[in-house]
Amino acid sequence: NAGVTQTPKFQVLKTGQSMTLQCAQDMNHEYMSWYRQDPGMGLRLIHYSVGAGITDQGEVPNGYNVSRSTTEDFPLRLLSAAPSQTSVYFCASRQGKNSPLHFGNGTRLTVT
Amino acid sequence: AQTVTQSQPEMSVQEAETVTLSCTYDTSESDYYLFWYKQPPSRQMILVIRQEAYKQQNATENRFSVNFQKAAKSFSLKISDSQLGDAAMYFCAYRPQFGNEKLTFGTGTRLTIIP
Repeated sequence: NAGVTQTPKFQVLKTGQSMTLQCAQDMNHEYMSWYRQDPGMGLRLIHYSVGAGITDQGEVPNGYNVSRSTTEDFPLRLLSAAPSQTSVYFCASRQGKNSPLHFGNGTRLTVT
Repeated sequence: AQTVTQSQPEMSVQEAETVTLSCTYDTSESDYYLFWYKQPPSRQMILVIRQEAYKQQNATENRFSVNFQKAAKSFSLKISDSQLGDAAMYFCAYRPQFGNEKLTFGTGTRLTIIP
């Protein structure tokens, strides 16, 4: 099993550009989520999904869109990148409520 | 709202010694989970240990153990026989058992191991 796979590992965008961060898991996990990690602030939840076709907002959803058309994939879309979105992004998944999160290796995004 | 506080931004310990990382949290829930995650320079988030609030017994995983004080809302991590590979950022995290799916993280403690 590959676990949770995020692509790309690094990305540089100009302000106003759009892009999609990819996340895939091969563990048949129902729950998937996106976090961002900023210095001195820990990880904060952006969006999450409890199953295919179901998504919901987390703590910091503005500027991001998600969809969940399959159990395996949970892409994160930046519609119009801003310098405030410079961060490290983590995708994570888990099976049931009693299970811990499994994290991908992160994507470092820089918006200039 | 739930909050998680790690009051030690940095800690250091001599190799083979024991170190304790502090974590306190605030919640009105009675059923929840607590976690410690390790983030080495590779950036990967690795689960170290978890604790269910309904369990009075403190969780242990090899050299890692916790001191869970529910009434005090305290969840410290003890690392025994520290090794160079333990050097990392350590994050404490909280999640309620029901309802809200959000995992709330503390701001982390950077642990340095002194050879």
